[in-house]
Amino acid sequence: EVQLVESGGGLVQPGRSLRLSCAASGFTFDDYAMHWVRQAPGKGLEWVSGISWNSGSAGYADSVKGRFTISRDNAKKSLYLQMNSLRAEDTALYFCAKDIGYEARNYFDSWGQGILVTVSS
Amino acid sequence: QSVLTQPPSVSAAPGQKVTISCSGSSSNIGNNYVSWYQQLPGTAPKLLIYDNNKRPSGIPDRFSGSKSGTSATLGITGLQTGDEADYYCGTWDSSLSAVIFGGGTKLTVL
Repeated sequence: EVQLVESGGGLVQPGRSLRLSCAASGFTFDDYAMHWVRQAPGKGLEWVSGISWNSGSAGYADSVKGRFTISRDNAKKSLYLQMNSLRAEDTALYFCAKDIGYEARNYFDSWGQGILVTVSS
Repeated sequence: QSVLTQPPSVSAAPGQKVTISCSGSSSNIGNNYVSWYQQLPGTAPKLLIYDNNKRPSGIPDRFSGSKSGTSATLGITGLQTGDEADYYCGTWDSSLSAVIFGGGTKLTVL
């Protein structure tokens, strides 16, 4: 059974940094691209970033480009999101999501339970 | 405001059929494949449809997808109370170089 477990969220002040982690199990992690998708309270889904199976390519939403960095460690079966210069509008539930392909096909067939990030002074 | 436009809500009676539309443009739906997700209250989204009309294993054939031009449609037949959820369309936007989602449609099974 595929399991994705996010961690590292919490309350952070505007302008500060936070690093999210996603621990994967139940599938061959380095066979798939991975993504972060967020959902602000009471709002819809927003794709944040995606990374290919071997970290050879990565993409970002304009709203986070230059501030967030996605990475992965295939040996540790883990996905990361380094979030710098956080803003109030980054407040959301952040989901780790598995792609159906090794290069980003941009279809997310497994999701974590989400981790809440709150940016507030 | 989302690049992809969905109706905020739809409703139908149990056993009936409902369709949810998703309207975009040539930079997204018009030249890329569409996916659909179901998000039950308090849970993570679930992939229902990919490549416009393909169902992942385990998704019943009550769920179907189609695309025409710059619009896509999710169809659900034999509605059940357990289908009450938010539904999102998604696709790649070639101009934005990003995955985009519609604003979501809340389905109520009366």
